[in-house]
Amino acid sequence: EVQLVESGGGLVQPGGSLRLSCAASGFTFSDHWMSWIRQAPGRGLEWVAHINQHGSDKYYVDSVKGRFTISRDNTKNSLSLEMNSLRVEDTAVYYCTGSTLHWGQGTLVTVSS
Amino acid sequence: DVVMTQSPLSLPVTLGQPASVSCRSSQSLVRSDGGTYLSWFQQRPGQSPRRLIDKVSNRDSGVPDRFSGSGSGTDFTLKISRVEAEDVGIYYCMQYALWPHTFGQGTKLEIK
Repeated sequence: EVQLVESGGGLVQPGGSLRLSCAASGFTFSDHWMSWIRQAPGRGLEWVAHINQHGSDKYYVDSVKGRFTISRDNTKNSLSLEMNSLRVEDTAVYYCTGSTLHWGQGTLVTVSS
Repeated sequence: DVVMTQSPLSLPVTLGQPASVSCRSSQSLVRSDGGTYLSWFQQRPGQSPRRLIDKVSNRDSGVPDRFSGSGSGTDFTLKISRVEAEDVGIYYCMQYALWPHTFGQGTKLEIK
């Protein structure tokens, strides 16, 4: 069974940091490009960051460039998103996806004072 | 950025009737390899999104054949041949031909 399990979300103050993790199982993780996609409360989907199969190519939406860092460890079948200088507008459910075919259940990040 | 425009944003449908969602992109989604990088997703209430269609018309495994995708260039359509109760939710198109990948606003399908 394919599983993507996100963790690390929570409540953080503006300017703070969080590290999201995603544990993958049930499929060949290293065959897939991986992305983080977020959904603000009551809003649509927004692609946040992408990393290719080898971890050599990374792309970010402009609003998170310089603040978020995506990484992966193919030996541990894991994906991470380091989030710094968090803003209120980063509040969302963050989904880990494998080539957008496989999705996790999401982890909620709330940025509020 | 490529702007993805969906219509309608609200889609009330009678059970057993067909439904159609349009998605238009502000730029061509054809890449140099000849592929067209447009996907469709379904998000049922309270659930994570699920991909239905990849590269315009390729239905993912386990997706009922009442779902179909078509289109080319900048103009794409998702069709449901006969709507069932389980189809209630929000449908999104997404382009991944160009960075950043972008989604449409979403189309909310409800049963009349």
